[in-house]
Amino acid sequence: AQSVTQLDSHVSVSEGTPVLLRCNYSSSYSPSLFWYVQHPNKGLQLLLKYTSAATLVKGINGFEAEFKKSETSFHLTKPSAHMSDAAEYFCVRDNYGQNFVFGPGTRLSVLP
Amino acid sequence: NAGVTQTPKFQVLKTGQSMTLQCAQDMNHNSMYWYRQDPGMGLRLIYYSASEGTTDKGEVPNGYNVSRLNKREFSLRLESAAPSQTSVYFCASGTGTHSGNTIYFGEGSWLTVV
Repeated sequence: AQSVTQLDSHVSVSEGTPVLLRCNYSSSYSPSLFWYVQHPNKGLQLLLKYTSAATLVKGINGFEAEFKKSETSFHLTKPSAHMSDAAEYFCVRDNYGQNFVFGPGTRLSVLP
Repeated sequence: NAGVTQTPKFQVLKTGQSMTLQCAQDMNHNSMYWYRQDPGMGLRLIYYSASEGTTDKGEVPNGYNVSRLNKREFSLRLESAAPSQTSVYFCASGTGTHSGNTIYFGEGSWLTVV
């Protein structure tokens, strides 16, 4: 089965500083990859997705992610954190196009 | 623009009781999914339906049944609830089972089994 690893369960940054959330995936083929965000007691919202086009993907709210096949990584970044970015972030991959596999999530805290 | 709608949002059950979580989507999507979310484990797939009339087991199907009633609706049934099924349940729908498929989630159903 395919898998996704999120290297940090919790990341804490100060408002206005860069955000880096790390994701690695298992590599039997080049998958479609996604980042979703979940605010407390809410559903999941799509931030961005990679589907074998440009390796640098831009998403909503200033987030972007870079697909690096050699490193089997798809890290999420944002140049400047905002208080409203505090949430849980999930890296997701497709599973041979049939369904989707989620990483365990990274909780992002933004300090004033 | 309702998207994916789940009901109920909150439910408390006693051990052994049964219940059905309802899900409907208005995006004309072929695929629908049920996930459960537990702390530290991300979302795990319970069942999915690639198209109307088909259903398949996911990672954690034991204790659950599903019905793809039509293209819009995909229900999840707990026949005899157990405390281990206390979780947040998310229904999702997607454009199909192919590369580039994107899934969209409902708001979640919080289920407690006592």
